[in-house]
Amino acid sequence: SAVISQKPSRDICQRGTSLTIQCQVDSQVTMMFWYRQQPGQSLTLIATANQGSEATYESGFVIDKFPISRPNLTFSTLTVSNMSPEDSSIYLCSVTRVGLTYEQYFGPGTRLTVT
Amino acid sequence: GQQLNQSPQSMFIQEGEDVSMNCTSSSIFNTWLWYKQDPGEGPVLLIALYKAGELTSNGRLTAQFGITRKDSFLNISASIPSDVGIYFCAGQGSSNTGKLIFGQGTTLQVKP
Repeated sequence: SAVISQKPSRDICQRGTSLTIQCQVDSQVTMMFWYRQQPGQSLTLIATANQGSEATYESGFVIDKFPISRPNLTFSTLTVSNMSPEDSSIYLCSVTRVGLTYEQYFGPGTRLTVT
Repeated sequence: GQQLNQSPQSMFIQEGEDVSMNCTSSSIFNTWLWYKQDPGEGPVLLIALYKAGELTSNGRLTAQFGITRKDSFLNISASIPSDVGIYFCAGQGSSNTGKLIFGQGTTLQVKP
């Protein structure tokens, strides 16, 4: 499977600030996704990161709050903007490999705490 | 929208016992995936299922894609302490966008 890294692994941020999370893959992948996992909960898809174009957001998530970039096939960023304590979650990126579109592989996650 | 109902929510078993968990939906799925998540880690893909009726094994794990395409189960045989974690089912619907819908998870605890 692809090796996926995320930075930072964890952070504690103040209310009203923004944090950018990076996702780097060691090989070219077809699709990249961003998920949120609130404490003790399952995973919820935030958006599909599209290379060179605007991300596709799921219902309940907007670009102003979660801007996403994907400048090439192996890198994407998710920004959590104007944070509030409700944004405290684990944020995960996932990828699908070329030829295995229906299998998603996840990064280790970024654990965000907003105070 | 599509939803997955995963059960049981949690299990506490003795080492050596077999475990079974399942996911059901009112909608048809084209792909079923089973993941395990350890504390502080991202989910790890265990088994992927692509065809109705498909039965696939990965070591002590066995998963099946239901005939109706609306359900899947995961069995773990002869559980060991390292099986502890949260198991998630995930499904892809007919839209073929690659997007996954996740079940609520089954927390497994194994008593040595």
